[in-house]
Amino acid sequence: EVQLVESGGGLVQPGRSLTLSCAASGFTFDDYAMHWVRQVAGKGPEWVSGISWNRDNIVYADSVKGRFTISRDNTNNYLFLQMNSLRVEDTAFYYCAKDASGTYGPFDYWGQGTLVTVSS
Amino acid sequence: DIVMTQSPDSLTVSLGERATINCKSSQSVLYSSNNKNYLAWYQQKPGQPPKVLISWASTRESGVPDRFSGSGSGTDFTLTISSLQAEDVAVYYCQQYYSNPRTFGQGTKLEIK
Repeated sequence: EVQLVESGGGLVQPGRSLTLSCAASGFTFDDYAMHWVRQVAGKGPEWVSGISWNRDNIVYADSVKGRFTISRDNTNNYLFLQMNSLRVEDTAFYYCAKDASGTYGPFDYWGQGTLVTVSS
Repeated sequence: DIVMTQSPDSLTVSLGERATINCKSSQSVLYSSNNKNYLAWYQQKPGQPPKVLISWASTRESGVPDRFSGSGSGTDFTLTISSLQAEDVAVYYCQQYYSNPRTFGQGTKLEIK
């Protein structure tokens, strides 16, 4: 059974940093691209960042480029999102999502999400 | 960026009736080399993450009831629920995965009449 479990969310002040983790199990992690998607309550999902199976292709939404860094540990089956210079508008639920392919596919599994609140 | 626009924003349908949701992309998501449309439909219920229903515009995911179907190509797509059930109350999103950033539609809220 595919499982994605996010952790690391919480309350943080503007300008500070936070790192999210996603523990993956139930599939061959290094065969698939992975993504972070965020969602503000009552709004649609917003794709944040994606990383290909071999880390050759890493992409970011313009809204987080230069502030967030995605990475993956294919040995221990973890996905990470390092978030620096956090802003109030980064407040959202953050989901880890598995791509159905190594590069470009739909998101076939999602975690339950972790809430990031940026507030003073 | 490819902009995804859904219509309507909300929809109220009687049990057993057909529900139709439309999605239009600002540019084609049809990849000519493999003739595939890089378009997915997701269902999201309160307190849950989105769940993929349809990929490649018309391929139903494993376990998804056959009352859900997807159609369309290029820039215009449709999700159809042939006979609405109570458990289909949710928000539905289309998403393109043709290019980065992967963009979602604004969502269509489906309710029972």
